[in-house]
Amino acid sequence: DTEVTQTPKHLVMGMTNKKSLKCEQHMGHRAMYWYKQKAKKPPELMFVYSYEKLSINESVPSRFSPECPNSSLLNLHLHALQPEDSALYLCASSQEELAGGPAYQETQYFGPGTRLLVL
Amino acid sequence: AQKVTQAQTEISVVEKEDVTLDCVYETRDTTYYLFWYKQPPSGELVFLIRRNSFDEQNEISGRYSWNFQKSTSSFNFTITASQVVDSAVYFCALSEAEGNAGNMLTFGGGTRLMVKP
Repeated sequence: DTEVTQTPKHLVMGMTNKKSLKCEQHMGHRAMYWYKQKAKKPPELMFVYSYEKLSINESVPSRFSPECPNSSLLNLHLHALQPEDSALYLCASSQEELAGGPAYQETQYFGPGTRLLVL
Repeated sequence: AQKVTQAQTEISVVEKEDVTLDCVYETRDTTYYLFWYKQPPSGELVFLIRRNSFDEQNEISGRYSWNFQKSTSSFNFTITASQVVDSAVYFCALSEAEGNAGNMLTFGGGTRLMVKP
């Protein structure tokens, strides 16, 4: 089963709202990712969690705050967003090699995304 | 630095035609991985194939086939007898093995395929 689920599917929020995006996987993957995708563009990496620790933050503004409560869940907390933050937010997961293991890149499996509109 | 180029931004074909989506990549690593993903209008990226740099054997899966050629740094994707359900954006992606913390993917710009009935 290569399923990653995301909720909600659609979200409309004002610039003063606080909301959260949720992602869940039950494949035993230990790496989870947040991507942002604008229309007609490829996904852009935002954050990577490895073994529930934040390993990569691609210079994302602080109005986006990721959280990994456990190995199956990944949240993205949103606060004081701007209209230009409107996009499709994709979550992905993959197996993760322990440090010192062979250089082996695992396949990322993506969820259906959350379409966010900031008014 | 790694780079993936999908020169075809949009392709339109009529159902049952064969179509090839091009992907050219750049990397300095000797060990790397190439991927193709399909993104239908619903938005989810669907994994199609993964290939490592040491395996140049071409692969066929039903109507899909992939041609990996290291000599030209290309990893092209062919759909035989296209169907309307093949309409989607297709992304080629590269992941380098050396010094690639976090298993990062470099995506091409994507090719939008429209299959008309």
